[in-house]
Amino acid sequence: QKEVEQNSGPLSVPEGAIASLNCTYSDRGSQSFFWYRQYSGKSPELIMFIYSNGDKEDGRFTAQLNKASQYVSLLIRDSQPSDSATYLCASGGTGTASKLTFGTGTRLQVTL
Amino acid sequence: SAVISQKPSRDICQRGTSLTIQCQVDSQVTMMFWYRQQPGQSLTLIATANQGSEATYESGFVIDKFPISRPNLTFSTLTVSNMSPEDSSIYLCSVGPDTQYFGPGTRLTVL
Repeated sequence: QKEVEQNSGPLSVPEGAIASLNCTYSDRGSQSFFWYRQYSGKSPELIMFIYSNGDKEDGRFTAQLNKASQYVSLLIRDSQPSDSATYLCASGGTGTASKLTFGTGTRLQVTL
Repeated sequence: SAVISQKPSRDICQRGTSLTIQCQVDSQVTMMFWYRQQPGQSLTLIATANQGSEATYESGFVIDKFPISRPNLTFSTLTVSNMSPEDSSIYLCSVGPDTQYFGPGTRLTVL
C-alpha cells in the first residue's frame, strides 16, 4: 500500500524564520511530488511541485526531493503569520496514472 | 490553472437520503477526480471520473454508494447515496492530469 508520512505537528516557528516541512513516501515508483497548503475550512491550494532530484525554488518556497532516500521537503523562508496552515505532501504518477496519495499534513504555526 | 466550481458548497441531509454534488470547470480537462476529507483527516481518493465511461473506484469505495457521472470534459457529478452520519465529510473534485487543482469543496453533514 502506498503511503506518505508527515509529522502532524504543530510546527511552531517565529516570524521571519525558516520553516522546514518533511515528508517520506513508500512507493519507489512515484514520479511526482506536490506540496499543498490548506487553511482551515478551505480546499487545498497548490504551492509547489517537483519531479526531479534536487531543489526547486519559487519565491520564498523551496522544494527538495531525494528519490534515493524517498524524502521530500518544503522550506519556507521569511515565514509570515499568513503561512500558518496545514501543509499536505502528496505523491503521484504522471498522465493517466496521476492520482495522488496524500500525507496527513503538518500544521504550521508562525508566531509573532 | 483552471477555475473549478462546486455545488452545493454545503448541505445538511437526513440519514438514508442521497445528495448529488456537481463539479464544473471553465476549460476542458483530461482528468477529474473526487476526494473525501473526513473531519481532521487528510484527503482520500474516491474515484477517477472518466469521460464517456464508468469511473475507476479506489479500494473501499463502490459505485452503488458513490455513483459518478462525467458527460463531458468540463463537468462531473458525485452522488453520495443512502447517507449515514459516517458520510459527513468535505467532498472535493480536482482536475489534472499530473498537477492537480482542487475545487472549493462541498461540506456535507448527515444527521
